[in-house]
Amino acid sequence: GAVVSQHPSWVICKSGTSVKIECRSLDFQATTMFWYRQFPKQSLMLMATSNEGSKATYEQGVEKDKFLINHASLTLSTLTVTSAHPEDSSFYICSAERQGDLYTDTQYFGPGTRLTVL
Amino acid sequence: AQKVTQAQTEISVVEKEDVTLDCVYETRDTTYYLFWYKQPPSGELVFLIRRNSFDEQNEISGRYSWNFQKSTSSFNFTITASQVVDSAVYFCALSGITTSGTYKYIFGTGTRLKVLA
Repeated sequence: GAVVSQHPSWVICKSGTSVKIECRSLDFQATTMFWYRQFPKQSLMLMATSNEGSKATYEQGVEKDKFLINHASLTLSTLTVTSAHPEDSSFYICSAERQGDLYTDTQYFGPGTRLTVL
Repeated sequence: AQKVTQAQTEISVVEKEDVTLDCVYETRDTTYYLFWYKQPPSGELVFLIRRNSFDEQNEISGRYSWNFQKSTSSFNFTITASQVVDSAVYFCALSGITTSGTYKYIFGTGTRLKVLA
């Protein structure tokens, strides 16, 4: 159990368009979901933490209006990159904490979404 | 401040050799968790192990073993008899509570392991 999916797995878009990435916990309910960004050959950088039904908490330096996060249900969180530009091209990874795992801190990661902005 | 250091950027070994990946962490928390994840070329992070700060017992899982030493703030990972399929980037991570009361992971920069046939 504890499978997290992301859709799409890769996307190419034109500069100025918006792109939505979905993160779903397939076989468990996720109280908290996280969004990370990873540049080539670099580590994961936490962008924001979202809890179901409340506003996301963004890390310092992450533009809230640029990266819109919605956590509408216990199994779905979405990240929308608004007015994407080439510098937004990256690998975006989501993760989820399983409800009931509050004291173990284990995050289950999705397979990632590779965004390329032309 | 919390920090995870993986000093080895890239390691190359020949198949069947043993290899140890180092991880050193910094935290002021008394309760925290340490993790190792594997990221193969496909990109998906694969969970390997979780260790809480009160459990310093070493762990072995098949060819994998982990050595947790609080005295040196290290959580090293050893692969015995390495195989080509072990080639990946390995991340060490620390889970700690933030000032806002939520937990989050702090990742090291990763170690790229190349196992040559």
